[in-house]
Amino acid sequence: AQTVTQSQPEMSVQEAETVTLSCTYDTSESDYYLFWYKQPPSRQMILVIRQEAYKQQNATENRFSVNFQKAAKSFSLKISDSQLGDAAMYFCAYRSWTNAGKSTFGDGTTLTVKP
Amino acid sequence: NAGVTQTPKFRILKIGQSMTLQCTQDMNHNYMYWYRQDPGMGLKLIYYSVGAGITDKGEVPNGYNVSRSTTEDFPLRLELAAPSQTSVYFCASSTGQGGQETQYFGPGTRLLVL
Repeated sequence: AQTVTQSQPEMSVQEAETVTLSCTYDTSESDYYLFWYKQPPSRQMILVIRQEAYKQQNATENRFSVNFQKAAKSFSLKISDSQLGDAAMYFCAYRSWTNAGKSTFGDGTTLTVKP
Repeated sequence: NAGVTQTPKFRILKIGQSMTLQCTQDMNHNYMYWYRQDPGMGLKLIYYSVGAGITDKGEVPNGYNVSRSTTEDFPLRLELAAPSQTSVYFCASSTGQGGQETQYFGPGTRLLVL
């Protein structure tokens, strides 16, 4: 079974600084998706960024980028120029390319942004 | 588009009662999912569906049932509620395939079983 591990339960960053959230996963599949979701206090799950495993190029979305290391099974999220609105719980998630039932989330990292 | 809607937003159940959590999506997505999120934890997949009439178990299906009679609706049924089912329940939908696969989540239903 797939597992997703987020080893940092809590992280903090100063406003305008850069922070990196870690995620490792375990799978025997070669094709899959990886995601980072943001969950603010409203509980709404918001997609931050998506990476397809077959793509070697790291995904970027504005201030958010990932470092995808397929061989190491690592998928970290970098947030640049952190803003107060970035404060939230961040979840790393895995989904099989072919089997929707293989959908696994990590336990999350709570990010605090200090003014 | 409303996206994914869930009702109710909050419910208190007594042990042994039953209820149905409703989920509707208006994006014509084939895939739909039910997750639960316990306090301080990530989401765990309960059931999923790849199209009308097709459902399958996820990681934590015990105590729940689902049906999918239409593309839009994917209700989750709790039979004989137990305190262990106290959680926040999220419904999601997606196209299910291709390079743009993204799960769109509803706002969640908070359930308290006493």
